[in-house]
Amino acid sequence: EDQVTQSPEALRLQEGESSSLNCSYTVSGLRGLFWYRQDPGKGPEFLFTLYSAGEEKEKERLKATLTKKESFLHITAPKPEDSATYLCGVNPGTYKYIFGTGTRLKVLA
Amino acid sequence: DAEITQSPRHKITETGRQVTLACHQTWNHNNMFWYRQDLGHGLRLIHYSYGVQDTNKGEVSDGYSVSRSNTEDLPLTLESAASSQTSVYFCASSESLTANEQFFGPGTRLTVL
Repeated sequence: EDQVTQSPEALRLQEGESSSLNCSYTVSGLRGLFWYRQDPGKGPEFLFTLYSAGEEKEKERLKATLTKKESFLHITAPKPEDSATYLCGVNPGTYKYIFGTGTRLKVLA
Repeated sequence: DAEITQSPRHKITETGRQVTLACHQTWNHNNMFWYRQDLGHGLRLIHYSYGVQDTNKGEVSDGYSVSRSNTEDLPLTLESAASSQTSVYFCASSESLTANEQFFGPGTRLTVL
């Protein structure tokens, strides 16, 4: 069964305190692992898609990496405006996208 | 600017009533999706469409239907609303399925009493 698990469920960081969010997955045929950011009361906003193990992508303070079993979203020197829920998901090749339950990140000033 | 809108933003209805949630996009995307988001479950796919007259069932399609008569709109209908359908509903569209980049609407919060 295709599945995505994100950890931790919630994370509190001090401003400038770098950390990583984890997304582990089991999927029959991966056609992409993606990350979205979701602010309270809004729809998710696309960040990255990764397609193969070893691939990395960066956007401002965020860097996403991918292995054969998991992806990490590294947040370097976070700021309060990085506070959001980060969603990970996979495209198992059928375009029936599967999302994890998300990590709620709070960055304190 | 192109956008994707949903209406209403909030809806309260009673068990057994038919409810239709609207989704309209001006991106001219062929691919459109409906999701529901619940605590502990994340986003789950309800229905999706690859183009006009095309509709497909997702993971949690029971009790829901969609129709695609033009490129811009994909309304979601709850035939007979149930309390288990209380949720936040998101519509999304995408240009390329392989790029995995979807543009989401602002969501509709539906409460079924």
